Amino acid sequence: TQLLEQSPQFLSIQEGENLTVYCNSSSVFSSLQWYRQEPGEGPVLLVTVVTGGEVKKLKRLTFQFGDARKDSSLHITAAQPGDTGLYLCAGYNFNKFYFGSGTKLNVKP
Amino acid sequence: GAVVSQHPSWVICKSGTSVKIECRSLDFQATTMFWYRQFPKQSLMLMATSNEGSKATYEQGVEKDKFLINHASLTLSTLTVTSAHPEDSSFYICSARRRPGSSGNTIYFGEGSWLTVV
Repeated sequence: TQLLEQSPQFLSIQEGENLTVYCNSSSVFSSLQWYRQEPGEGPVLLVTVVTGGEVKKLKRLTFQFGDARKDSSLHITAAQPGDTGLYLCAGYNFNKFYFGSGTKLNVKP
Repeated sequence: GAVVSQHPSWVICKSGTSVKIECRSLDFQATTMFWYRQFPKQSLMLMATSNEGSKATYEQGVEKDKFLINHASLTLSTLTVTSAHPEDSSFYICSARRRPGSSGNTIYFGEGSWLTVV
C-alpha cells in the first residue's frame, strides 16, 4: 500500500524548462522529506520540511509542505541534465518513513 | 554529514542458501534502522523497522521468518535472507535514524546492496 502518491510518474523535458512534482496523501505527516536517487545508489536527502505551509529553497529547487501537512511539491526552475534522477518523497509517521511512488525525471540537453 | 554503510554492495548466491546484509551507522548511534526493498524503476517499499535491543516490526506481507532482522547494537543492524529464491533478487537499502533529539527525524541511507539469487 502506497501511502504517498507522486505525480507525474515520469517526466521528460528539455534543458531550461521548469517542472513541478507533487506528493499527495490522505494521511497527515509530522515531517516530510524529498530525496533524489541515482540508479544503483541509495537515496540522497534534499530537504526536510516540518511545518505546514513551509517553503524551502535549495538553489533552483523549491519545496513546499502543504498547510495540512498531507501533501508537498517540488519545483525545479531551469532544469539541467544533472537533475535527471528518481525523486522520492517520504513522510514520517508512527516512527516510520513511508516513500512515495517516485517520479522519474529525465532532462534532455 | 551522517554516514551509513552497507555491506556487501553486491552479492550473488545460490537458491536455497542464506545471505546476510549489514547496515552500519558510522558516526552516530541509531536507535532505529529501516530496511527497504526496491525493484528496478520503482520506489522503496518498507520491509521492517529495526529497533535496537528489541524485535523488528515487519510490514504487512513481509515474511519475518524469511527476512531475519537483528539490531544487536546502536550502530549495526543485519538483514538475513534465508532460503533465498530468484524472486528475492532485488536492491535492498537500509536507513538509520539518529537517537531522538539530536537531529529530528532525519534518516540517512546506506548505499544499498544488490542481491542476485541464481
